Amino acid sequence: EADIYQTPRYLVIGTGKKITLECSQTMGHDKMYWYQQDPGMELHLIHYSYGVNSTEKGDLSSESTVSRIRTEHFPLTLESARPSHTSQYLCASTSGAYNEQFFGPGTRLTVL
Amino acid sequence: AQKVTQAQTEISVVEKEDVTLDCVYETRDTTYYLFWYKQPPSGELVFLIRRNSFDEQNEISGRYSWNFQKSTSSFNFTITASQVVDSAVYFCALRGIQGAQKLVFGQGTRLTINP
Repeated sequence: EADIYQTPRYLVIGTGKKITLECSQTMGHDKMYWYQQDPGMELHLIHYSYGVNSTEKGDLSSESTVSRIRTEHFPLTLESARPSHTSQYLCASTSGAYNEQFFGPGTRLTVL
Repeated sequence: AQKVTQAQTEISVVEKEDVTLDCVYETRDTTYYLFWYKQPPSGELVFLIRRNSFDEQNEISGRYSWNFQKSTSSFNFTITASQVVDSAVYFCALRGIQGAQKLVFGQGTRLTINP
């Protein structure tokens, strides 16, 4: 059973609001990831982290930012949300090259 | 560059039929991992299987089976005697072992099992 959590599960907000999507894992994994997914479509990597104080941009350009101050915590922030940010955001973590990525339940974001 | 292609966008079958989901991949790595994930309507990604590039043995887990053929760069997934609960979007994914070990996903196949 994967111990990776995301909050909130659903979020509806207005344009221009600042939001932070939370992701936490209790498995001590060093690598963490954020993926963006439109409903039923493929997942695109937007951010990843090798460990504390390490963050990198993914393959899909995103206006969001991330931080990794603690091993277990990898929040994603949108400074000014827009309707184009409406999507599902999935957080994942892994302990290494030989293991699968565990995914959180996702946050479904709707920006009006 | 790595790439995963799931040519079947949607599949619809009647319950108890067998169904195969295709996955073709491209990579220059000699060592890599292949995965299948299931995404039910709730949106979570459920891990189904991991297979490394050196292990071409087919695998069976209950009604699920996987056929890995390195010669054709394919990693197909078969559900035998499908059930309504199998309805979901299924993703094939590829990952190397260097760097960030990013998962590269296919476009997904939406499987609908009709009663």
